[in-house]
Amino acid sequence: GAVVSQHPSRVICKSGTSVKIECRSLDFQATTMFWYRQFPKKSLMLMATSNEGSKATYEQGVEKDKFLINHASLTLSTLTVTSAHPEDSSFYICSARTSGSGGTQYFGPGTRLLVL
Amino acid sequence: AQSVAQPEDQVNVAEGNPLTVKCTYSVSGNPYLFWYVQYPNRGLQFLLKYITGDNLVKGSYGFEAEFNKSQTSFHLKKPSALVSDSALYFCAVRALLSGNTPLVFGKGTRLSVIA
Repeated sequence: GAVVSQHPSRVICKSGTSVKIECRSLDFQATTMFWYRQFPKKSLMLMATSNEGSKATYEQGVEKDKFLINHASLTLSTLTVTSAHPEDSSFYICSARTSGSGGTQYFGPGTRLLVL
Repeated sequence: AQSVAQPEDQVNVAEGNPLTVKCTYSVSGNPYLFWYVQYPNRGLQFLLKYITGDNLVKGSYGFEAEFNKSQTSFHLKKPSALVSDSALYFCAVRALLSGNTPLVFGKGTRLSVIA
């Protein structure tokens, strides 16, 4: 299947700093990427849908000014957690969809963020 | 609105026995159904999908799933479970012609295969 990479896999930062997470589709072009957040022993919570070259669509309750998403190319989307706080600590997972109405979503390995 | 129900939080099965992880869905129009598996501290791995065609779909690692339109179900099955199958399993759905809408996930079912 298609491969999606995510970097970094793990990050620890101080409260108030910003953290950028990169998501890349390695062997296919993805016009649409998705960012999810997963809490321990919970399902995935969709944060936003990212379309190449346009603004991301955020889910209700997700602060767009705090979670900045950029989808600058067909293979790269970034999520920046601005002014991170301990409650932002979580497992963030990106997903990229292959093209076509029957496209499959493939997931990155996730990024574990710990804000001290 | 789309939704997925995985009625079991946990499924325990002995190694070598058949396993079933249940999933029912609700969607307007024809469904596009997926199963994913997640190992600890990892992202989701794609197992299989159903779009159209045969109701029995075969996927990775010996897993298969049966689409049942009348029961709106898409249960995941494997004839003989392995200890290495122990993981968190997610069912997901979206309407087939729904454009860029994301998948809707069930809450997940933790499968534990006991040696």
